[in-house]
Amino acid sequence: GAGVSQTPSNKVTEKGKYVELRCDPISGHTALYWYRQSLGQGPEFLIYFQGTGAADDSGLPNDRFFAVRPEGSVSTLKIQRTERGDSAVYLCASSLRRDQPQHFGDGTRLSIL
Amino acid sequence: GENVEQHPSTLSVQEGDSAVIKCTYSDSASNYFPWYKQELGKRPQLIIDIRSNVGEKKDQRIAVTLNKTAKHFSLHITETQPEDSAVYFCAASSGGTSYGKLTFGQGTILTVHP
Repeated sequence: GAGVSQTPSNKVTEKGKYVELRCDPISGHTALYWYRQSLGQGPEFLIYFQGTGAADDSGLPNDRFFAVRPEGSVSTLKIQRTERGDSAVYLCASSLRRDQPQHFGDGTRLSIL
Repeated sequence: GENVEQHPSTLSVQEGDSAVIKCTYSDSASNYFPWYKQELGKRPQLIIDIRSNVGEKKDQRIAVTLNKTAKHFSLHITETQPEDSAVYFCAASSGGTSYGKLTFGQGTILTVHP
C-alpha cells in the first residue's frame, strides 16, 4: 500500500513568512510523528499525535511552531514568522500504534532565505 | 531526557567484510531500539529493531545486539555489499509519557568499497 506522503517536497520562502507542511500517514496508522533533520544530523523529535490529540509536543522549539491533526489522519505542521534557522528537512512518520515501528515519509525540505 | 551516542561517525570497509556500529543510551527506561538506513536525499528506512526483552535479533545479513546492563546496542552487517553504503542511524524510545518518541544518534556514514 501507499507509504507516508509529505507535501510539498520542497519549500523556499522568505524570512518572516508563514508555512504549512502536510503529512498523509499510512492508512489506519493511529500514531503520527514530526521530526526535523538538519544536514549531517539525526532526526530530532518535534511532536507526536495519538489520534487527534498531541500526546507529546515537548520537541517543538518555540511557540512559532504548531501542529494539528483534526480528523486523526492528515497532519499539518505550521511555522509562523519563519527564521533562517528553521531551514531543515521536516520528516513525518506514522505507526500502527505507538508501540509499533515508525515509517517515514520523504520529508519536506524547507529553505528560509 | 534520553541521550543517544553513536560511533563511529564514518566507517569504510571492503566488500565482503563485516561492519559494526555501536550506540549507547542514557535512559534505563528505554525499551525499543530501531536502526534506520538513509540514502542521500531519501527517507530513513527501518532495517531492524529490537525490544528490551530480547538480547539479539537477526535478519539475513543484519543483526542487532542489546546489552541493557551496559546500556548499549550494536548493528552488525556481514558480507557487506556496495549497496549497503548509506548513513545508518540508531534510535531509542523510552516508556511512560515519552513512549513512541525516538531519540536518534548522530549517524554513521558507511562506505563499502567494491
